[in-house]
Amino acid sequence: DTGVSQNPRHKITKRGQNVTFRCDPISEHNRLYWYRQTLGQGPEFLTYFQNEAQLEKSRLLSDRFSAERPKGSFSTLEIQRTEQGDSAMYLCASSLEESGANVLTFGAGSRLTVL
Amino acid sequence: AQSVSQHNHHVILSEAASLELGCNYSYGGTVNLFWYVQYPGQHLQLLLKYFSGDPLVKGIKGFEAEFIKSKFSFNLRKPSVQWSDTAEYFCAVTDTSGTYKYIFGTGTRLKVLA
Repeated sequence: DTGVSQNPRHKITKRGQNVTFRCDPISEHNRLYWYRQTLGQGPEFLTYFQNEAQLEKSRLLSDRFSAERPKGSFSTLEIQRTEQGDSAMYLCASSLEESGANVLTFGAGSRLTVL
Repeated sequence: AQSVSQHNHHVILSEAASLELGCNYSYGGTVNLFWYVQYPGQHLQLLLKYFSGDPLVKGIKGFEAEFIKSKFSFNLRKPSVQWSDTAEYFCAVTDTSGTYKYIFGTGTRLKVLA
């Protein structure tokens, strides 16, 4: 297992276009998280899944954002009608919940630039 | 709502100097605490974690952190830094109530001069 994989690593798009990011977690991990990170800030929570169920969504996740994890394995994060303010690094992390302990393993991120 | 404060945004040290990075959190319940590190060009990696037990936890590369519950703090320390410790350090907290939503601080950018 090579860890958490994210694709694409970089995406440049024009304002108004739709973009989709994919995350492949560590195979035995049942939880999957999406975070957003902008320059000078820490990762901001967007949403997370336990298996295929989306358990929590941040208020940061406007109706233009949607995330899915259809079979409890990989996940996609789609941003519709992108805006310049969406430019950020989108981070995926996964974890295996064990006895109340939960340690996130992060992917390298997908950097979005909206022109 | 939970929050995490990291007071030092940029720290510059010479090699062999001692390091202490502050982290305070705001949450009334039982928490798990973490320090993550992001080396230049790399992804976030776990440095150390506190779940329960001994409040002084040791992590990789000689780092340690002390959980002081009364002060809501989880400061990161290293007695002697190396040039290779140049990185950004993030403190994070998650509650143990079942949501397991990590809240991160804004990070501290450490530069170690050779």
